[in-house]
This record gives sequence, structure tokens and C-alpha cells, in this order.
Amino acid sequence: QVTLRESGPALVKPTQTLTLTCTFSGFSLSSTGMCVSWVRQPPGKALEWLALIDWDDDKYYSTSLKTRLTISKDTSKNQVVLTMTNMDPVDTATYYCVRGVIPLFDYWGQGTLVTVSS
Amino acid sequence: EIVMTQSPATLSVSPGERATLSCRASQSVSSNLAWYQQKPGQAPRLLIYGASIRATGIPARFSGSGSGTEFTLTISILQSEDFAVYYCQQYNNWPPWTFGQGTKVEIK
Repeated sequence: QVTLRESGPALVKPTQTLTLTCTFSGFSLSSTGMCVSWVRQPPGKALEWLALIDWDDDKYYSTSLKTRLTISKDTSKNQVVLTMTNMDPVDTATYYCVRGVIPLFDYWGQGTLVTVSS
Repeated sequence: EIVMTQSPATLSVSPGERATLSCRASQSVSSNLAWYQQKPGQAPRLLIYGASIRATGIPARFSGSGSGTEFTLTISILQSEDFAVYYCQQYNNWPPWTFGQGTKVEIK
């Protein structure tokens, strides 16, 4: 059974750096083809893909957010970490961790709401 | 970047009726198109991939069609649990992976 769970702060201040952790089970990120992505959704709005890391440690980023994002993995801990620098109120959103067999996304975590406010 | 456009934004349908949702890509994505269902307060769930293949456990009343730039999701007989927001996503030309803006299926 594949499960993913996001964790991190619910509230960050503008200009701070956000660090989110995805802890997963039911698959190995060292298996060929496996990947984990981060997708966000502002309240009442659509889904936006942010970043992806695959089994071979290849990393891909949203063009518009590339300078602010870093994705990494710890295969031994079954974790993927996303950092986003210089947070702004427009970054307020639910952040989802998503498993994929590249390039298809199949299992989603429950999401974590991050509010950016002073 | 491929832009995905969904229509309509909102679809009002009575239970038991058919719902037809559209998704258009700004350039061909072949059959590399997925549909997700999202209920309020929940994460998206994969419904359809490969434009027409139902994901595991998805009822047969959900069907997908199309290729290239034009795609359709059909819910043949709407059940109460089907009222939700539906998103299409292309995974042909990546990165980035891009989603449509969503279609809300509401009770008429």
C-alpha cells in the first residue's frame, strides 16, 4: 500500500524559507522509474507542479520557481524534502507530495496547508 | 510549456445524468493525458491515464477519450459521490507537468 505524508510548518513569515518533508511507504525511490513530485494548490485555485526528483537523482523544477526551489531525497529514510526560499503571501497553498512512475503521477499525499503571513 | 484548457468551468448536472468534460492542449500531447478527481478537503485522485485507461478501482462509468490536443472525460450516470472538481494533466512534454484549471461538476 502506497502512502505519502507531508509535514512542515503551517505558518511561515514573508521572506522566510519553507522546508517540507514527504515521508512515504509502500515503494522504493531507488526503483527504476520511480519519482516523487511536489504540487501545490492555492485556496480555491488550480494545481501547480513545482518539482520532481527521480530514482536516478535527476531533478526538475518549475521554470517560474526554479531559483527558489530545491528538492532532495534520502532513500534510506524514505523521505523527499522540498525547500522554497523567500516565501511570499502568494505562496499560501496546500502542498502535496505525489508519487509517480515517471512521467505519470499516481498516488497523492493528503497535503499540508502552508500560510504565509506576518 | 503546454497550456491545458478545460471547459466548462462549472457543469451543473442532475444525478443519473451524463456529464461530459473537455480538455484541450495547446499542442499535441499524444495520449499522455491524465484526469484527476478532487473532492472538497481531499487530495486529487487519479481517474484516467493514457487518455482512456481507468486507474485501479475506478468505476466503469468513468471513461476518457481523445488524443493529440482534444480530450473528453465522460461520467455516464452521475452518482452523488461524483460531484467534485476534475483536472486534466499532460505528461507528454515535461518538464513542466501542466494541469488544466479544473471543471467543477455540481448538482443541478
